Amino acid sequence: GESVGLHLPTLSVQEGDNSIINCAYSNSASDYFIWYKQESGKGPQFIIDIRSNMDKRQGQRVTVLLNKTVKHLSLQIAATQPGDSAVYFCAEAQGSGGGADGLTFGKGTHLIIQP
Amino acid sequence: EAQVTQNPRYLITVTGKKLTVTCSQNMNHEYMSWYRQDPGLGLRQIYYSMNVEVTDKGDVPEGYKVSRKEKRNFPLILESPSPNQTSLYFCASSLSGTNQPQHFGDGTRLSIL
Repeated sequence: GESVGLHLPTLSVQEGDNSIINCAYSNSASDYFIWYKQESGKGPQFIIDIRSNMDKRQGQRVTVLLNKTVKHLSLQIAATQPGDSAVYFCAEAQGSGGGADGLTFGKGTHLIIQP
Repeated sequence: EAQVTQNPRYLITVTGKKLTVTCSQNMNHEYMSWYRQDPGLGLRQIYYSMNVEVTDKGDVPEGYKVSRKEKRNFPLILESPSPNQTSLYFCASSLSGTNQPQHFGDGTRLSIL
């Protein structure tokens, strides 16, 4: 099946700077995309989602951008803080309608915040 | 507090000894799912359930069973565990499917010797 991937396995940024984590997907039929954050010893935590009828969505300090033309998804974190250190996963929902099909996850990007 | 609870959190056992990992959610979610997480492979779906008495295979179902007799519970059963099932397992739930945010438990680390 088609899969979701990430461009960089590790991203190191200075505290206070903005972070951008990228994700490429290959299934043009996917219509729902999610970003999760996973801290050590914990399960993935939902951050933000976006549907294919949108190209941008903002949350608190986070923005997700969707470029369907090049099948690219990004997560922007503004003014990164030490608590943002974690592994970030993008995921896509294959299929449509009730979303019965499985969720496909990328391999993850480890975000490291330098003091 | 809305949560997905898995038990046990850690288990070391031996090949062939049947085990069950329980998962319970208190959000009245219809959709529940099991994933395993392995280094370099990310999260892969094992089984999912759209509602009570409805279960389906995910990407890596071999060696696993599930049941959904009640809405809140979705146990993962390993009838005859093998070392290649050593992994970190996550249960998740969502209101009605994968096109909505899934809530994850904190994981169960299984070691099969």
